[in-house]
Amino acid sequence: DAKTTQPNSMESNEEEPVHLPCNHSTISGTDYIHWYRQLPSQGPEYVIHGLTSNVNNRMASLAIAEDRKSSTLILHRATLRDAAVYYCILRKGGLGAGNMLTFGGGTRLMVKP
Amino acid sequence: DTGVSQNPRHKITKRGQNVTFRCDPISEHNRLYWYRQTLGQGPEFLTYFQNEAQLEKSRLLSDRFSAERPKGSFSTLEIQRTEQGDSAMYLCASSLGTGFTEAFFGQGTRLTVV
Repeated sequence: DAKTTQPNSMESNEEEPVHLPCNHSTISGTDYIHWYRQLPSQGPEYVIHGLTSNVNNRMASLAIAEDRKSSTLILHRATLRDAAVYYCILRKGGLGAGNMLTFGGGTRLMVKP
Repeated sequence: DTGVSQNPRHKITKRGQNVTFRCDPISEHNRLYWYRQTLGQGPEFLTYFQNEAQLEKSRLLSDRFSAERPKGSFSTLEIQRTEQGDSAMYLCASSLGTGFTEAFFGQGTRLTVV
């Protein structure tokens, strides 16, 4: 299975943009890139996903490199409530693909006031 | 609250005892997943149901673990003869549809085996 690599932790100042990187050099053509985050004492929460093109939603933006070997989750204005562990996950697409998410260690984002 | 509900939230049990956890997914979600998360690690997939059918099981799911989803609604995860290594957060998630849709997670059941 393709693997993702993320920094263990990052710090950000409140109200500043945050760029969370993820490397996935062994990604296959049918792998979708998903991001979930887990706030303290909560279950994971879906953030965004994409395949090839950059994606935007109300929570964040996802920038995918042209070769798809890396991606970046962008939080446009970090708030204290964004302090969480952010997981970059590859999920197989296509018929017969598995439905489980394979979480790695994630990046712990700390937001300073 | 219409989210994924898990009960109990906390369970302390003695080694060797059996425990059962319950997950109530979001109404009408046909897919249900169980994950296990130990301290400092990301969640690990255990098993997946589509309606009442258990379609995927991880190698992590030993013979002491069994999951059911009768009638395709709520699900139970039972651990028999608990061991200290079973201490973890057990997370349930649900999603709707046949293609990709986002998974909604519950707050989990924290199991401590003493």
